[in-house]
Amino acid sequence: GEDVEQSLFLSVREGDSSVINCTYTDSSSTYLYWYKQEPGAGLQLLTYIFSNMDMKQDQRLTVLLNKKDKHLSLRIADTQTGDSAIYFCAESNSGGYNKLIFGAGTRLAVHP
Amino acid sequence: NAGVTQTPKFQVLKTGQSMTLQCAQDMNHNSMYWYRQDPGMGLRLIYYSASEGTTDKGEVPNGYNVSRLNKREFSLRLESAAPSQTSVYFCASRGTAMPQHFGDGTRLSIL
Repeated sequence: GEDVEQSLFLSVREGDSSVINCTYTDSSSTYLYWYKQEPGAGLQLLTYIFSNMDMKQDQRLTVLLNKKDKHLSLRIADTQTGDSAIYFCAESNSGGYNKLIFGAGTRLAVHP
Repeated sequence: NAGVTQTPKFQVLKTGQSMTLQCAQDMNHNSMYWYRQDPGMGLRLIYYSASEGTTDKGEVPNGYNVSRLNKREFSLRLESAAPSQTSVYFCASRGTAMPQHFGDGTRLSIL
């Protein structure tokens, strides 16, 4: 069945780049998303990429998609303490109700 | 612009009690969703409503009912709460060809 997997934890030094990885199984995925969740808050949409794209850049965020390997990554340049949060990868297909399948989330810890 | 608003933010129930979680969106979105989030897991879809007047089961619908009251509001009801339903519940909405937008969640504990 459909599945999305992420590593659970990543620790980086402030100012370094962070790379959060995600793999998915559904080859019919049309969109892939990255959401950010800060403690006690809801999910904030960071960025998303259409499946016919390889890369998308938005300020400090770079999303890379390898459709052949079903691998998605999120790179955060110049990571700041405010980037500490849980990052969720999610995929959707072209079904009528935009069903989202989420990974378990990667907790990013940024230290001085 | 409030986006997606959920009430209440926190709730403690006793086993067997009932309650309704409220969700409203002001973005004129057609689709609305209810998810639950448990530790170490991603969000799982409970129910969704593709448009006003329609509702369908998601991945984990047992023990829940929903009502799409109008285009703005989508409520989730627990008829007889069980400890296994202790979770954080998120409502989301979506416009045509747009990503889902989430509320801040309702933290529900069932004793």
